[in-house]
Amino acid sequence: QQQVKQSPQSLIVQKGGISIINCAYENTAFDYFPWYQQFPGKGPALLIAIRPDVSEKKEGRFTISFNKSAKQFSLHIMDSQPGDSATYFCAASKSRSGGYQKVTFGIGTKLQVIP
Amino acid sequence: SQTIHQWPATLVQPVGSPLSLECTVEGTSNPNLYWYRQAAGRGLQLLFYSVGIGQISSEVPQNLSASRPQDRQFILSSKKLLLSDSGFYLCAWSVGLASDEQYFGPGTRLTVT
Repeated sequence: QQQVKQSPQSLIVQKGGISIINCAYENTAFDYFPWYQQFPGKGPALLIAIRPDVSEKKEGRFTISFNKSAKQFSLHIMDSQPGDSATYFCAASKSRSGGYQKVTFGIGTKLQVIP
Repeated sequence: SQTIHQWPATLVQPVGSPLSLECTVEGTSNPNLYWYRQAAGRGLQLLFYSVGIGQISSEVPQNLSASRPQDRQFILSSKKLLLSDSGFYLCAWSVGLASDEQYFGPGTRLTVT
């Protein structure tokens, strides 16, 4: 059962444009929603994250929009640059006892920003 | 600052051979440690996690095993590799209840031939 559905699987955006990646989750117990950025041959790196008590979080050109009632969240990349070309994963998790935190990942979106 | 190392970076092994991948974390104590496998187009699949020395939990039944002989060392092993074990293996760490953030290592690309 895919608990975090991510779309689109691939995305091509012109330099300077806005990249938008969407995710939907099913488990209402999730309380932490990170986005990871992965360049080819490298491990994913935490990009930005949000908790359900806020509807939006912005860090530089990256913004997460969160809709708790719809169980959806999205990543917006403003003024997209060729250096943003990477695979982006959304994820969701819920805190568990003992400090262990299981993260459920989306399938990933391969973003290509063309000049 | 904390850093995470994985080796080897790439590995080509024949079917039926053993496997040992190593992960070490520096700059933190008592981390939670994780092994993930990433297959093309399938996202990241959690294989094992550990909250302490000798404490290993498996998320997916498979041909692999994990061990944690030291606080900041996590090892992924197999006695006999299968073709389906090919993939990109990632180690990650997080720190207890203080943070929900997971930090990934550079990964090991395993090709089973």
